[in-house]
Amino acid sequence: DGGITQSPKYLFRKEGQNVTLSCEQNLNHDAMYWYRQDPGQGLRLIYYSQIVNDFQKGDIAEGYSVSREKKESFPLTVTSAQKNPTAFYLCASKTGGLGPQHFGDGTRLSIL
Amino acid sequence: KQEVTQIPAALSVPEGENLVLNCSFTDSAIYNLQWFRQDPGKGLTSLLLIQSSQREQTSGRLNASLDKSSGRSTLYIAASQPGDSATYLCAVMGSRETAGNKLTFGGGTRVLVKP
Repeated sequence: DGGITQSPKYLFRKEGQNVTLSCEQNLNHDAMYWYRQDPGQGLRLIYYSQIVNDFQKGDIAEGYSVSREKKESFPLTVTSAQKNPTAFYLCASKTGGLGPQHFGDGTRLSIL
Repeated sequence: KQEVTQIPAALSVPEGENLVLNCSFTDSAIYNLQWFRQDPGKGLTSLLLIQSSQREQTSGRLNASLDKSSGRSTLYIAASQPGDSATYLCAVMGSRETAGNKLTFGGGTRVLVKP
């Protein structure tokens, strides 16, 4: 089945630790996105990538980093510089143009 | 800067009643507007996408309207069922900044349909 796979479903971070969230898609989509969702709120854009080896900061990129070495993969690293990382992280992808974004099932990150 | 608002934040209706969910946005320069459903602890499922040139889109019991000039969209769900209980989010793709085709999201409306 075509879709977007995020892993792990739950992740715990210790103080001073970097953690990486995985996002893989087999939809052959060019663009991929990372969002953060806090309880009772909408989604805020962290980073996005329109093509391989290129990505841009979104509205809340500080404390996060990404890479786009393959079309199918867009991992997000939450660094120790992100002081409030507890949130639900969602990955999305879309084809070029004005079509809809498709979402994965999310990763919930908590602090130990 | 585009702002998207969804009021009310929560809504409770008896089964069978029609649901009316509101979404407003501050900048009418948009390419499209998308409605999503989110179940607890899950990702977003796309329900309907309305291009800026369209007035409405329909899918089964769902109907979404768009009034771009007044900055409003409404999602109607006919004859609500307990399975419709979820959070509904709207998002707009602005046309002023085309890089990335980014979406701006509202905060969502949490819906409970009581049996």
